[in-house]
Amino acid sequence: KQEVTQIPAALSVPEGENLVLNCSFTDSAIYNLQWFRQDPGKGLTSLLLIQSSQREQTSGRLNASLDKSSGRSTLYIAASQPGDSATYLCAVTGGGNKLTFGTGTQLKVEL
Amino acid sequence: DAGITQSPRHKVTETGTPVTLRCHQTENHRYMYWYRQDPGHGLRLIHYSYGVKDTDKGEVSDGYSVSRSKTEDFLLTLESATSSQTSVYFCAISPVSYGEKLFFGSGTQLSVL
Repeated sequence: KQEVTQIPAALSVPEGENLVLNCSFTDSAIYNLQWFRQDPGKGLTSLLLIQSSQREQTSGRLNASLDKSSGRSTLYIAASQPGDSATYLCAVTGGGNKLTFGTGTQLKVEL
Repeated sequence: DAGITQSPRHKVTETGTPVTLRCHQTENHRYMYWYRQDPGHGLRLIHYSYGVKDTDKGEVSDGYSVSRSKTEDFLLTLESATSSQTSVYFCAISPVSYGEKLFFGSGTQLSVL
């Protein structure tokens, strides 16, 4: 059974800092990995999707990497802003098109 | 934002009563999903649909049923609500499989007393 772990569960950083969020998964037989953002009281918004054959994806200040063999992904956020405050979840798609989510990292960027 | 509407947004009900949550989409996407989100568990798949009248179970389907009689509507029914079903329920839609191009609704907060 696939398990997805995100550490830390919560993170607080000052504005302008570069930061890294971590995601690990137990079964490397995945089709893709996604990073989502969730604002309080809202649904999830997909930020980046990395196919299993890819190593990284970039969108603006966000960069996600994937090391499938070691079961790890990181989300790098450059020059963090208060508007980046949210919960970030990673999810992997495995056999049977099953999407398994991590429990998320709650990020707070302080002024 | 993708055209997904969940109703109701909030509901309080009593143990043993039936409850139906509705997900309505205007995107004509083939795949529709129901997830529940609980602290410490992340999102877990309850049921999903891959077409009109085509549905299948997810990992936490006990106590839930679904129906999809039209492309745009996916209903989740709690046959007899229990306190363990207190949760936030999210609907998601996608035009393709493999978890790609997934769009989520804003959620329904359900409290079973």
